[in-house]
Amino acid sequence: DQQVKQNSPSLSVQEGRISILNCDYTNSMFDYFLWYKKYPAEGPTFLISISSIKDKNEDGRFTVFLNKSAKHLSLHIVPSQPGDSAVYFCAASGRGNTPLVFGKGTRLSVIA
Amino acid sequence: KAGVTQTPRYLIKTRGQQVTLSCSPISGHRSVSWYQQTPGQGLQFLFEYFSETQRNKGNFPGRFSGRQFSNSRSEMNVSTLELGDSALYLCASSLRSAEGSPLHFGNGTRLTVT
Repeated sequence: DQQVKQNSPSLSVQEGRISILNCDYTNSMFDYFLWYKKYPAEGPTFLISISSIKDKNEDGRFTVFLNKSAKHLSLHIVPSQPGDSAVYFCAASGRGNTPLVFGKGTRLSVIA
Repeated sequence: KAGVTQTPRYLIKTRGQQVTLSCSPISGHRSVSWYQQTPGQGLQFLFEYFSETQRNKGNFPGRFSGRQFSNSRSEMNVSTLELGDSALYLCASSLRSAEGSPLHFGNGTRLTVT
């Protein structure tokens, strides 16, 4: 049973436009949500996170939105740059020292 | 500050053999987690160690085991290798000082089983 779902395996966006990556979860006990970016031959790199008490968190070009009632979160990248081309993973964890559960990832391609 | 270091970067083994992977966490990080990444499956949690104790375990067979040393370095062992064990194995460390603390990943060990 997949608790964190990224239903779009890939996304293609033009440079300068907005990239929106989506993530759905099923476990209502999740309290923390994180986004990671992964380049080939490298490990995932932490991007941005949000806790369930917030509905938005912003860091530079990256903004994460959380809709708890819909069990949905999204990552917005504005403006998109070619260097943003990577696989993006959504991850979630509950309270306490519970492990991070990852989605299968979305491959973002930013076209110049 | 040095990041998470995993060795070796690449390994080729044959079915039935065993393998040991090594991970050195970021200095000061006491939590080490291991994940398996296979094509189309995302990152699957294997186990987490904190202060030499296994704190969480994922849904993997007993052939997968690990340990953590007093200096927080960790090793992962897979015995009786199967073709399906071919994957990228990622180690991550964390301060775990607060809930929701992000994991910091190494670049992984690419294991190929033939």
